[in-house]
Amino acid sequence: EIVMTQSPATLSVSPGERATLSCRASQSVGSNLIWYQQKPGQAPRLLIYGASTRATDIPARFSGSGSGTEFTLTISSLQSEDFAVYYCQQYNNWPPVSVFGQGTKLEIK
Amino acid sequence: QVQLVQSGAEVKKPGASVKVSCKASGDTFTNYYMHWVRQAPGQGLEWMGWINPNSGATTYAPKFQGRVTMTRDTSINTAYMELVSLKSDDTAIYYCARARGWPLDHWGQGTLVTVSS
Repeated sequence: EIVMTQSPATLSVSPGERATLSCRASQSVGSNLIWYQQKPGQAPRLLIYGASTRATDIPARFSGSGSGTEFTLTISSLQSEDFAVYYCQQYNNWPPVSVFGQGTKLEIK
Repeated sequence: QVQLVQSGAEVKKPGASVKVSCKASGDTFTNYYMHWVRQAPGQGLEWMGWINPNSGATTYAPKFQGRVTMTRDTSINTAYMELVSLKSDDTAIYYCARARGWPLDHWGQGTLVTVSS
């Protein structure tokens, strides 16, 4: 089973600054990588799919990059509403199974 | 707009089973897979599996194979997730989420299942 490792576990950044979150796969997943944002008490929200495609209504300050085993989510200028937990998710085309990373908590510095 | 509305919170004893429902509206139910994801208190997300509402075909995460069953009733646009032989570490919020395969683009509000003696 593929293992997804996110780093750091917690990231402290000031509003207006850039945040860079990492997700590493234990073996290549191609571009089958998704990012979600989750705020306390809410369901996750889709941000990025196909490693780099923003979902509908996601602001341009969110960008995803990478392929194979190394992926990055960048938030270019943090807004107050961006402080949340971020999860990466990989999926296989066949068998069609999936694994989440353990999450990165983005907190206000 | 697309809505996934889940059933209410449940409290179960160890060894019991639970069945959570997820009613979809706002789009064609059979056009999207329904995934199930759970989240233990203070923990991360855990993918459990999916069902193709059109065919009824399912795929489960290895961890849950043999203990989870996902079904659907297309007449009422509702998907179900049943988990048996519950243990205390099954205490979690269980989410349904739809997808055209991947990614999971709309999520239900979550159902808290508490397993306690």
